[in-house]
Amino acid sequence: QSALTQPASVSGSPGQSVTISCTGTSGPFGSYILVSWYQQHPGKAPTLILYDDSQRPSGVSNRFSGSKSGSTASLTISGLQAEDEADYYCCSYVASITFPVVFGGGTKLTVL
Amino acid sequence: QLQLQESGPGLMKPSQTLSLTCTVSGGSISSAGYYWSWIRQHPGKGLEWIGYIYFSGNTHYNPSLKSRVTMSVDTSKNQFSLKVKSVTAADTAVYYCVGGSSGYDVFDSWGQGTLVSVSS
Repeated sequence: QSALTQPASVSGSPGQSVTISCTGTSGPFGSYILVSWYQQHPGKAPTLILYDDSQRPSGVSNRFSGSKSGSTASLTISGLQAEDEADYYCCSYVASITFPVVFGGGTKLTVL
Repeated sequence: QLQLQESGPGLMKPSQTLSLTCTVSGGSISSAGYYWSWIRQHPGKGLEWIGYIYFSGNTHYNPSLKSRVTMSVDTSKNQFSLKVKSVTAADTAVYYCVGGSSGYDVFDSWGQGTLVSVSS
């Protein structure tokens, strides 16, 4: 099945910016229509932080931003805070006969 | 603010049928444009989409699970349900029920999750 590939881990110091990539391995990102991003703290359910590549739901900090270029979508977190330490997942659906929803493998963000 | 709550058995034996129910509060399960999904997370692993159901009863399942999965909706109780037949240890996971209003691939309201363990 098609997959979304994320780095296993990224890290940054408080106040810095980090970017998490999400690459569609089935081909150009044209096969994946729009990307959403989720944050998950240990032992908690995920929460939506971005949808439609770069839209923020109400209540989500503007420190979270998203973009997409070619086969790669990106989540950027600026002004890192300790509370940002969490797992992050990208998600999309595949433009295929079955249109399944797929998640990336997740990225562990460590705030140093 | 939607709230979702999963309910079901925490421990099962192989070959049994897993049944989970999600109760939705703070809104109607019949709201147009809302998709009601199940997502699971194996211990220490990533997220896996199981499928969704619309209030009309239309469903869409992950092809990898389609042969074993059935979803249903009860609008009178504001609930939707998941059944997975012939479970094995590989079905051990935290199961989340989720609501989405921006398409079936966007999940904006999550239940707290329920751990289902399959063991003989």
